[in-house]
Amino acid sequence: GESVGLHLPTLSVQEGDNSIINCAYSNSASDYFIWYKQESGKGPQFIIDIRSNMDKRQGQRVTVLLNKTVKHLSLQIAATQPGDSAVYFCAENTRNYGGSQGNLIFGKGTKLSVKP
Amino acid sequence: NAGVTQTPKFQVLKTGQSMTLQCAQDMNHNSMYWYRQDPGMGLRLIYYSASEGTTDKGEVPNGYNVSRLNKREFSLRLESAAPSQTSVYFCASSVAGSGNNYGYTFGSGTRLTVV
Repeated sequence: GESVGLHLPTLSVQEGDNSIINCAYSNSASDYFIWYKQESGKGPQFIIDIRSNMDKRQGQRVTVLLNKTVKHLSLQIAATQPGDSAVYFCAENTRNYGGSQGNLIFGKGTKLSVKP
Repeated sequence: NAGVTQTPKFQVLKTGQSMTLQCAQDMNHNSMYWYRQDPGMGLRLIYYSASEGTTDKGEVPNGYNVSRLNKREFSLRLESAAPSQTSVYFCASSVAGSGNNYGYTFGSGTRLTVV
């Protein structure tokens, strides 16, 4: 799993299995969370988001779960494919740096490796 | 639509040299951001511009300056480059406004090496 403030962990899964990537966020006042996927040599790509008034949101093959009680976020990828191999970042929206809408603070990422 | 375009993609500087990283977005987004990404450190916010005409410091602003030239363009300047600024720099934009934030769209990055 991943936590804002820890070194990059690695998750290795078999093709076809489900993947679960975890994230512990830092600010209990954060109200918006996003998961990003970053492939080698590319910029982060939006996967799915969730607001703090929800505890679950589903997309295509992906589900994000939010547990505000323990400040935990997870990304579930169903039927993981080789193309899912990448670094996955969670991000929380915080107003630490001012601005009416806040800014995203990123975790350090989890590397997902899919074995064929 | 090109999304977020960054130039250059690669750059090598000598210590003390200056340069400007360019970023442009064609999505009519209000907010723009500059992040740096270092191994094991994730993405860290350098500066951001919540709207045209405003800029603010992020987590790691020292050694950088920014200009929000217009709604489309947000540049990052290194006045006197240092080896510690060797990193991959990402520009991002967001439609954020009305007190809410939305997902960011990122550029493909600028890989900067300072020797």
